[in-house]
Amino acid sequence: AQTVTQSQPEMSVQEAETVTLSCTYDTSESDYYLFWYKQPPSRQMILVIRQEAYKQQNATENRFSVNFQKAAKSFSLKISDSQLGDAAMYFCAYRMPFYNQGGKLIFGQGTELSVKP
Amino acid sequence: EAGVTQSPTHLIKTRGQQATLRCSPISGHTSVYWYQQALGLGLQFLLWYDEGEERNRGNFPPRFSGRQFPNYSSELNVNALELEDSALYLCASSLAGGGYDTQYFGPGTRLTVL
Repeated sequence: AQTVTQSQPEMSVQEAETVTLSCTYDTSESDYYLFWYKQPPSRQMILVIRQEAYKQQNATENRFSVNFQKAAKSFSLKISDSQLGDAAMYFCAYRMPFYNQGGKLIFGQGTELSVKP
Repeated sequence: EAGVTQSPTHLIKTRGQQATLRCSPISGHTSVYWYQQALGLGLQFLLWYDEGEERNRGNFPPRFSGRQFPNYSSELNVNALELEDSALYLCASSLAGGGYDTQYFGPGTRLTVL
C-alpha cells in the first residue's frame, strides 16, 4: 500500500531564512503526482506546489521549490525568504494513478511550521 | 473564479442523529472528493464522485454516504452519528477524475458530535 511519511512534526524558521520540510513516500507505481498543501489556522487547504513523477526537473513556484528524488522516493519542500504568512501546517500528498482507486490523495501526517519574527 | 464552497461552516449534532454536508465544486470541475480530517488520524479519503456516480470510497462504514447532483455539487451524509465522527470534513474538486488533475479544496465543515 502507498504511504507518505513526514518525519518532522514541527519545524521553526526565522523570518527571511530558508527552511526545508521533508517527505518520503512508498509506491510501486512509476507514474504519479506529488503535492505540497498548506493548511493555515483558517483550515483552508491551499495548494503550494506539485510535481509530476515523469519530470526530472524540480518544480518551483516563487519562493517555494522541491527537491524530488524519485529513486530515493523523497520529496522535500524548500521555502526561501520565509515570511510570517508561511506559518501553517504543511502536508505532503501522493496522488494515486487514476486506474488505481481513482486518483485519491494520500497525505502525510503534516509538519507544523512556525515563523519567528 | 469562485473556489470550492462548503456549507455549513460548523455543524453540531448529537449521537445517533444524521448530518448532511454540502459542497459546490469549482465551475467546470466534474469530480468531487471528500476527506475526513480527524484529530490524531490525519487526512483520510472518504468518497469520490464523478459524473454523478460514486466511483470509489475509502475505508469507512456504510453510514457514510453521499451523492452528486447534475450540476456536480455533492452532498455527504453521515447517519447514526458517533462521537468519533467529530472532524473537519473537506471537499475537493478537480477537472476530471482521470489523469492527474489537481484537487482544489474547500474551507471545510467542522462537525461536532455531542
